[in-house]
Amino acid sequence: DQQVKQNSPSLSVQEGRISILNCDYTNSMFDYFLWYKKYPAEGPTFLISISSIKDKNEDGRFTVFLNKSAKHLSLHIVPSQPGDSAVYFCAASAGGANNLFFGTGTRLTVIP
Amino acid sequence: SQTIHQWPATLVQPVGSPLSLECTVEGTSNPNLYWYRQAAGRGLQLLFYSVGIGQISSEVPQNLSASRPQDRQFILSSKKLLLSDSGFYLCAWSGRLAGGEQYFGPGTRLTVT
Repeated sequence: DQQVKQNSPSLSVQEGRISILNCDYTNSMFDYFLWYKKYPAEGPTFLISISSIKDKNEDGRFTVFLNKSAKHLSLHIVPSQPGDSAVYFCAASAGGANNLFFGTGTRLTVIP
Repeated sequence: SQTIHQWPATLVQPVGSPLSLECTVEGTSNPNLYWYRQAAGRGLQLLFYSVGIGQISSEVPQNLSASRPQDRQFILSSKKLLLSDSGFYLCAWSGRLAGGEQYFGPGTRLTVT
C-alpha cells in the first residue's frame, strides 16, 4: 500500500517559469515531510522539509506547502532552471520513526 | 563535513551468486544507517535500518540481510541472488534524532542475470 503518492510521473516546464510538484499521503500520523532531488545514477539529495506544525517553508527558489486537511503537499520552484531537471521524490515520516516513506517520484524537465 | 561512500558503483551478478555491498560514513558518530532499494519505475523502499552496532531492523522480508560490524559501516548481503533483486541500492545515514533528514550515498546499480 503506497502511503505517499506522486500521481504525475513527469512534468515539463519552460525555463524561468514556476514548477509545481505535487504529493499526496494517506497516513494521518505523518508529521514530517521532505523533498529530495535525484539525478540519474546518483543518490537522492535532500532539498527541503516541513513539519506538520507549519503550512509553508521557503528556502531560496524552493517552497514547500503543506495542506494537512487535504493530506497534500507541493513543492514550488521559482524560477525554474535547466539544472533543476531531475526526479523529485517526496517523503514522509510519522512520530519520529526511523522510516521514511517515499513516493514514486516525478521527473521534472526544464526546457531552456 | 559528513560523507557517505558506497561500493561498488555497479555490479552484474548471476542468479544464485552471493552479494556483499558496503557502505561507510565519515565525519559523524553513532549515525542511524539505512539500506533502500529503488526498483525500475518504483519509489525508494526501505529494506533495513540500524540505530547502533549489531542492531538491525528489517522492514521487508526477503533473501537479503544486513549487518553493522562497526559504528559507521553498514553491509548488505545475500547468500543467493534472485532476478528480482536487481535494482538500485542506496545507503543513507541520519543523525540520532529519528524522523529527521536522511542523507544518501551514490548508490549501487545491481543487475542480476
